[in-house]
Amino acid sequence: EIVLTQSPGTLSLSPGERATLSCRASQSVARNFLAWYQQKPGQAPRLLIYGASSRATGIPDRFSGSGSGTDFTLTISRLEPEDFAVYYCQQYAGEPVRCSFGQGTKLEMK
Amino acid sequence: EVQLVESGGDLVQPGGSLRLSCAASGLSYSVYSMNWVRQAPGKGLEWVAYISSSGSLTYYPDSVRGRFTISRDNAQNSLSLQMHSLRDEDTAVYYCARENWYLDVWGKGTTVIVSS
Repeated sequence: EIVLTQSPGTLSLSPGERATLSCRASQSVARNFLAWYQQKPGQAPRLLIYGASSRATGIPDRFSGSGSGTDFTLTISRLEPEDFAVYYCQQYAGEPVRCSFGQGTKLEMK
Repeated sequence: EVQLVESGGDLVQPGGSLRLSCAASGLSYSVYSMNWVRQAPGKGLEWVAYISSSGSLTYYPDSVRGRFTISRDNAQNSLSLQMHSLRDEDTAVYYCARENWYLDVWGKGTTVIVSS
């Protein structure tokens, strides 16, 4: 089973700043099957990035994903007030453990 | 509009059983695999169950295997999660989610509380 470790646990930034979130896998993620989700309080997670670097439908281009193998990054180029939330990385399409999530990074407003 | 709506969450005693349902609309339900994902209060996301598009293949993590059963009815566009021998640690919001390799459509969740 692949274990995903996200860092930092909490990131305090101001609107307009750049955010860089990290996700490290315990072993190589096959075919870069790595996704990122955003979750706001009381809401379901929302898919942001899949295939490590492809933006989901309707996701603003200030969100970008990069990386391969065991090291992945989510970058938000210029933070908007609505971007402050918790972000999870996920590896998917495994068998028999279908997917696993990182523990999350909380992006809070400074 | 693509939509998933969960129901069935409730307060149940430890050792009890509960059945969750997920109604799908607007998304060609029968061609997609489906998953259940849960989130304990104040915690992260945990994958709970997977079922293939035909229903012939299912997977579970060790934490629920043997206690939870996922099933689907493609004629009714519905997904279910039968939960037995519930424990305190099963308390969570349970989400159903469509799998397109990644999880691209999520319901709003239904809350299960296991407590005496």
